[in-house]
Amino acid sequence: GENVEQHPSTLSVQEGDSAVIKCTYSDSASNYFPWYKQELGKGPQLIIDIRSNVGEKKDQRIAVTLNKTAKHFSLHITETQPEDSAVYFCAASRSSYNNAGNMLTFGGGTRLMVKP
Amino acid sequence: ETGVTQTPRHLVMGMTNKKSLKCEQHLGHNAMYWYKQSAKKPLELMFVYNFKEQTENNSVPSRFSPECPNSSHLFLHLHTLQPEDSALYLCASGNSGGNYGYTFGSGTRLTVV
Repeated sequence: GENVEQHPSTLSVQEGDSAVIKCTYSDSASNYFPWYKQELGKGPQLIIDIRSNVGEKKDQRIAVTLNKTAKHFSLHITETQPEDSAVYFCAASRSSYNNAGNMLTFGGGTRLMVKP
Repeated sequence: ETGVTQTPRHLVMGMTNKKSLKCEQHLGHNAMYWYKQSAKKPLELMFVYNFKEQTENNSVPSRFSPECPNSSHLFLHLHTLQPEDSALYLCASGNSGGNYGYTFGSGTRLTVV
């Protein structure tokens, strides 16, 4: 099955700096890679995703890059703000065209702390 | 509000109690999931339901019993739990077939005493 490794487990940055979280995956057939942000007392929320037919995707201050050859993908947050402080999870899945469903495999999470 | 509602938000139960967690989604999704979140295993899949049928049971002890009466509702029945079962239980919904992200609820914080 798929295995997703996420690094670092904790990351502390100064407000305004950039933050990068990296994930590797094992299943070369995986083709969908979402990122989730979990704030205190809430469930994980999807913030950005990328499919294997593109190498990079941006949404304002966040971007995700994908290297299919190396089987790794990264989340980049620029101009970090205190409200970016949260736990971030990466995930990977492969297309499922039967009723077995869409199965996401999650990384272990990264606790990001943005210091004002 | 994400479209996935979990109740109760907090639950304290004794080891001999029976309780149920409820999840409801209004997103038109046909798949629903239960996850356990603890310090040891941040997002541990428990059960998957597609079109009301259970398609995954990730070696979960029988003291956890899921129920999915329709595609919009999911329950997790709890009985004779152990203190190590204390955790945040998250429900999510999504669409089977093809690749899409899940939508998570806010979770139920369970404490077993």
